[in-house]
Amino acid sequence: QQQVKQSPQSLIVQKGGISIINCAYENTAFDYFPWYQQFPGKGPALLIAIRPDVSEKKEGRFTISFNKSAKQFSLHIMDSQPGDSATYFCAAVGSGNTGKLIFGQGTTLQVKP
Amino acid sequence: KAGVTQTPRYLIKTRGQQVTLSCSPISGHRSVSWYQQTPGQGLQFLFEYFSETQRNKGNFPGRFSGRQFSNSRSEMNVSTLELGDSALYLCASSLSGTPNTGELFFGEGSRLTVL
Repeated sequence: QQQVKQSPQSLIVQKGGISIINCAYENTAFDYFPWYQQFPGKGPALLIAIRPDVSEKKEGRFTISFNKSAKQFSLHIMDSQPGDSATYFCAAVGSGNTGKLIFGQGTTLQVKP
Repeated sequence: KAGVTQTPRYLIKTRGQQVTLSCSPISGHRSVSWYQQTPGQGLQFLFEYFSETQRNKGNFPGRFSGRQFSNSRSEMNVSTLELGDSALYLCASSLSGTPNTGELFFGEGSRLTVL
């Protein structure tokens, strides 16, 4: 069964610090790896995404690092802010499966002021 | 542009009953996907509809079904409810363009409680 494993389950970071969330996948047929951010009472929202032919993608304070050979990718949140406190999900999408995302278990991030 | 709208937002049912949830996608989006979110299992894919046809299906029993209408609105139905069906049901829409971008736009969900 296709799986995406995410760690840690929860994370507490001081304001200004770096938050790091890691994911690993098993299926080499995945060709797109998005990260979603979810606030309480809201649906997930796309944060940033990467394709496996790119090793790193940066958007503002958010960076995805991708290691294709290790089948691992991670999200780095630089200068973490209290407003970043949310649950983060990594996901993987197979070719042709536009609406079918395989999600990691999620990481609850708390940024302390 | 309005986002994905799901109704009802909250509902309580008893075991054995059935429930229908509704989703209106973003205007112009032709793909609608449904996900079940629980604390234990996380986000799990139920099914995806595109142009009124089921394009993908997750590993859920046949009690879970869905459909899509010609205006892209979608409904999902769960029959013979079980306690374990208590969850947040999320609908997501996408343009379903090529190449696959994985960008789904989620609604706020319908929270189902089964007693």
